Amino acid sequence: KQEVTQIPAALSVPEGENLVLNCSFTDSAIYNLQWFRQDPGKGLTSLLLIQSSQREQTSGRLNASLDKSSGRSTLYIAASQPGDSATYLCAVLRRDDKLIFGTGTRLQVFP
Amino acid sequence: DTAVSQTPKYLVTQMGNDKSIKCEQNLGHDTMYWYKQDSKKFLKIMFSYNNKELIINETVPNRFSPKSPDKAHLNLHINSLELGDSAVYFCASSQDPDSTEAFFGQGTRLTVV
Repeated sequence: KQEVTQIPAALSVPEGENLVLNCSFTDSAIYNLQWFRQDPGKGLTSLLLIQSSQREQTSGRLNASLDKSSGRSTLYIAASQPGDSATYLCAVLRRDDKLIFGTGTRLQVFP
Repeated sequence: DTAVSQTPKYLVTQMGNDKSIKCEQNLGHDTMYWYKQDSKKFLKIMFSYNNKELIINETVPNRFSPKSPDKAHLNLHINSLELGDSAVYFCASSQDPDSTEAFFGQGTRLTVV
């Protein structure tokens, strides 16, 4: 059974800090891993998608890495801003086509 | 031009009622999903359709019935609503079931009173 865990559950940092959010999964037989952002009262926004054959993906200040053998992914946020405040979710696409989500990391960036 | 749109955004209804949530995607994707997000923010898949055919059906009460009239639409009907059905329901789509990015709607917050 695939389990997806995210650490930390919550994070509060001052503006400008570089951040690392962690995601671990128990079953390495995945198609891809995706990072999402969820804003209060709003839907999910896809941030980065890493295929199982890839090691990392970058988009602006965001960088996501994937180590399938150890069942880990990290989301690196450079020079954090108050607008980055949201809940960040990772999700793995299993071989049976099910997308399994972690419980998220709630991030608050204060000015 | 929202890629995945759900209606309504908020739904408050009494126990025992029957309600529907609609979902439409204009991305030309083959696969659509329904997810339920509980009070602890944990997202769980409920159903998945590929080319209008059901491919994933998690253990949900049979009061929940998805209907896909065409590839661009996947509606969720819920009969005899219960208090425990209160949650946020997300619709999503992807090009196909494997190895692609999923796009989500804004969610429908269902409150059963």
